[in-house]
Amino acid sequence: AQSVAQPEDQVNVAEGNPLTVKCTYSVSGNPYLFWYVQYPNRGLQFLLKYITGDNLVKGSYGFEAEFNKSQTSFHLKKPSALVSDSALYFCAVGSGNTGKLIFGQGTTLQVKP
Amino acid sequence: GAVVSQHPSWVICKSGTSVKIECRSLDFQATTMFWYRQFPKQSLMLMATSNEGSKATYEQGVEKDKFLINHASLTLSTLTVTSAHPEDSSFYICSARAIGGQGRETQYFGPGTRLLVL
Repeated sequence: AQSVAQPEDQVNVAEGNPLTVKCTYSVSGNPYLFWYVQYPNRGLQFLLKYITGDNLVKGSYGFEAEFNKSQTSFHLKKPSALVSDSALYFCAVGSGNTGKLIFGQGTTLQVKP
Repeated sequence: GAVVSQHPSWVICKSGTSVKIECRSLDFQATTMFWYRQFPKQSLMLMATSNEGSKATYEQGVEKDKFLINHASLTLSTLTVTSAHPEDSSFYICSARAIGGQGRETQYFGPGTRLLVL
């Protein structure tokens, strides 16, 4: 069965510091992976995705993520955090052609000035 | 591009009434739309997959007679919560996948609908 784990409920970083939001996955077959961000009382905004190709994926707002097959991880990173990055981040995984995604439990990112 | 809208953004209703939520893809055609439910500070739970012109596919544990889904066109899917009860109060979010996309295409999400049943 497919699953996604985001081991941290909350990540706190100071503005200007690098940030990492962790995600590990378990799927049969080749995975495709997504990161979404959710601001309060809003839907999810797409940040980036990995399907095939380069393991380092660059996305919106300066975010990037690295696909690591051996560690089954897809951590989200940003070199320099902004206060406006504070939000709820979801990792999601899919496989096959159904289009269905399984979401992690979410990680709240708090960036302090 | 890839904008998905939902209407209404929030609704308060009395127990026993039915509520319809619309999900529209504004600048692309979507053969497949998905309906999710999200409880406070929790992840998204997939309720059903809505395919244009065919019956929706419901996830295990989701009552299809309770949550009626219609995908009448390539840009519109509706979710009707029938005979709503307070336990149906939640944040409902739809997503849409572009026409011709395979399973790996990106899902674009609507802004969500907050339902409160009194």
